[in-house]
Amino acid sequence: DTEVTQTPKHLVMGMTNKKSLKCEQHMGHRAMYWYKQKAKKPPELMFVYSYEKLSINESVPSRFSPECPNSSLLNLHLHALQPEDSALYLCASSQVRQGGNEQFFGPGTRLTVL
Amino acid sequence: AQKVTQAQTEISVVEKEDVTLDCVYETRDTTYYLFWYKQPPSGELVFLIRRNSFDEQNEISGRYSWNFQKSTSSFNFTITASQVVDSAVYFCALSEMDMYSGGGADGLTFGKGTHLIIQP
Repeated sequence: DTEVTQTPKHLVMGMTNKKSLKCEQHMGHRAMYWYKQKAKKPPELMFVYSYEKLSINESVPSRFSPECPNSSLLNLHLHALQPEDSALYLCASSQVRQGGNEQFFGPGTRLTVL
Repeated sequence: AQKVTQAQTEISVVEKEDVTLDCVYETRDTTYYLFWYKQPPSGELVFLIRRNSFDEQNEISGRYSWNFQKSTSSFNFTITASQVVDSAVYFCALSEMDMYSGGGADGLTFGKGTHLIIQP
């Protein structure tokens, strides 16, 4: 299984809602990532988990809360988002070896904040 | 700080033409990794190639080839005999050894991407 799955595919939420994005992989990878991609822009790194521990947080606002319950799952909890948070949220996974691990991406969740 | 520049915002060619996508990078590290990803309209990023800073060998995979030149900090991508299915946004990306994560899980820094349009 060489796939990263993400649910839901689309999400519309109000600024007062709480929602979660889910990502799953069964490739045995021990690193998982969240990226945010605005329209016609490149993906921007948000968080990195290595061996289920948060290793990189790119100064992301606290209204985004990541969670890695086990080596196959990665969640992104959303609360009190702003309309400018509307974007494609991409999850990726990779091996953890000495650098330069190719990351495999899921199809993304397209989020709209009203 | 690391940086990736893809100066070509959009390229349009007719099918069967060869096309080269440029990528120039900046990094202070001696150990780093370069990647190319393809993003079709569906949105999913597809991994194409990885190259480490110690391996300057060019690579060919079917109609795709990559030219890595450390002297000019470039990692260019050529598609030979382009096809309509090659139409997509192509991103060049860079990662460095991350001391804090143990050097294994490093985020990617992407260039702005080149939108490639192959016309029939």
